[in-house]
Amino acid sequence: GESVGLHLPTLSVQEGDNSIINCAYSNSASDYFIWYKQESGKGPQFIIDIRSNMDKRQGQRVTVLLNKTVKHLSLQIAATQPGDSAVYFCAENIRPTGRRALTFGSGTRLQVQP
Amino acid sequence: DARVTQTPRDKVTEMGQEVTMRCQPILGHNTVFWYRQTMMQGLELLAYFRNRAPLDDSGMPKDRFSAEMPDATLATLKIQPSEPRDSAVYFCASGTGGGETQYFGPGTRLLVL
Repeated sequence: GESVGLHLPTLSVQEGDNSIINCAYSNSASDYFIWYKQESGKGPQFIIDIRSNMDKRQGQRVTVLLNKTVKHLSLQIAATQPGDSAVYFCAENIRPTGRRALTFGSGTRLQVQP
Repeated sequence: DARVTQTPRDKVTEMGQEVTMRCQPILGHNTVFWYRQTMMQGLELLAYFRNRAPLDDSGMPKDRFSAEMPDATLATLKIQPSEPRDSAVYFCASGTGGGETQYFGPGTRLLVL
């Protein structure tokens, strides 16, 4: 079945290091991808998005890379800070049926060690 | 600072009772989504509205759940009767256009005893 999944359920990094969170998707028709950050007790917060006609997009301290050949998405966080500790979700937009809703992956927990 | 608001933030109820959750989308947003989040299932899409019309509610148990948008500033999700398995955090999100970028509310944490 079509799904969005994550390789690593928990990622632990040292403060100041770079973090890479990975995501695999299975639907080649997906054309839009988003990364969300969810802190404990809060709703998911939009971080960055990318369309399928791009392979890289940069934001403030974050970069999203898209490899359509292997259906892989990654989120890179530069100089990781304690405030980056959260669960990160990738989500994809699936359009085959005209339905414009996101399908979320299971999430990766990022733990930043001081 | 525009944001999605949800009420109540927490709800504890007994099995069989009706539960109503409310959401105020960001002003100007024309798409509204309801999600349920549990440890086991993650984020599940329950319903999706565009311009107040339901576009997709296939993820919602029809026998007990209902979602409506009485007006552009209010979306409601009702459970009647509630069951312990409905215990979860329910999120509302809103967006513009095709609903691609969605902005989430803080959620309603529901516990059904």
